[in-house]
Formats: sequence, structure tokens, C-alpha cells
Amino acid sequence: GESVGLHLPTLSVQEGDNSIINCAYSNSASDYFIWYKQESGKGPQFIIDIRSNMDKRQGQRVTVLLNKTVKHLSLQIAATQPGDSAVYFCAEAVSGGYNKLIFGAGTRLAVHP
Amino acid sequence: GAVVSQHPSRVICKSGTSVKIECRSLDFQATTMFWYRQFPKKSLMLMATSNEGSKATYEQGVEKDKFLINHASLTLSTLTVTSAHPEDSSFYICSANLASGGVETQYFGPGTRLLVL
Repeated sequence: GESVGLHLPTLSVQEGDNSIINCAYSNSASDYFIWYKQESGKGPQFIIDIRSNMDKRQGQRVTVLLNKTVKHLSLQIAATQPGDSAVYFCAEAVSGGYNKLIFGAGTRLAVHP
Repeated sequence: GAVVSQHPSRVICKSGTSVKIECRSLDFQATTMFWYRQFPKKSLMLMATSNEGSKATYEQGVEKDKFLINHASLTLSTLTVTSAHPEDSSFYICSANLASGGVETQYFGPGTRLLVL
């Protein structure tokens, strides 16, 4: 069936470096994409979202890129900090309904001092 | 703003008992809430969509008689795990849709860890 998947299960980076977390999606009807951060034992925390009419969106230290041609989504974190260590999930949805999200498998980001 | 709470945060129960988990949107009204289940080191799996004033919509493979959902008000949805068994042990997370400026954003609760002995 349709699914959202991630290329890397874990990502280790040095503090201060930039991080890039990738995600592939397969539902061509999806037009809304979100990145969430989940720390151990907590619920997902909204980071940034993007709609299919855009290919880039920037937030504070984070940038989401969307490539609809190859159905690829990425999250870039600038100057990664120890507090960024968590599991990151991408999620996709088809707008117009209840905004039902389909989550990817997740990537664990480990930031080393 | 956009805070979603869950209660309890952690519950241990005996096999065969029922457990109720509450999900509340604290500072906004949500006509739509969602219930997810998450196993250790796994992704979130959508269980059902909870609609205020109507029956919940369950995902394929989720037993509606096992996981009872009630969305009694615009700020409260409850999930009741009936006749719980050890395989129901999991991390249950709810979320609520906040509509603003024609855009809906989904905010998540902190989760409830259920352990069935």
C-alpha cells in the first residue's frame, strides 16, 4: 500500500554541524507534509510543515525541502545542538479530509559534543 | 497555545480489566481528534479518527469493540481499551486538529503508556 519511508534509521552528527534527514513518500495525492520531533517517552512535537505548492520552507534553524518529481522530503537542521537529539518523523496527508497523517518509520538523530 | 494533554500518563492494569485514556485540547476546540498507537522504536500507527458528536472512524485492522472511542465535547476524546490483554501494552498518543486561517495543524498529546500484566 501507500507508505512514507525514510532512507536512514540513525544519523550521528557532531554538535555544530548541519543535519539532513531524508524521507521518501509514495502517495502522489499527498499535498501536505510535516516533520515531527519525538523525544523519548513523549508525544511528537511539530517542527515544520510544507504544502505541495512550495518546494522550500524555512523556520528557525530548520528548512524543509520538497521534491515532488522524485517524491522526496528532507529536513535540514542548522548548527545541530545536543537538544536536537531525538527521533524525527516525516508525515504526509491529503488535505480536504480530516488531515489524516501517515507517518514514516523515523530517523534517530544523535548529536555528539 | 495549542496544548493537548492526556491522562493518565502511565497506567498499569491487570489482564481482563478496562482502561480509559483521556485526551483534551486545553486552549482550543477540536472537532477532530486522532488516536495512535506506538510500539517501542517504531512509528506511530493511526488507530482511529474521533469526530465530535459522531462515531469514530477506525483504521483497517483496529477492533472498534476493543478500542472504544468517545468524542463527547470539542475538547475531550476518550479511548477505552476493553478487556485489556498483555498484547495491548503500548504507548497510546492522541492528537487534535487546530484550524487556523484555513489551515489545519495537528498537535499531539504527551502519550499514555499502558502496561497490562
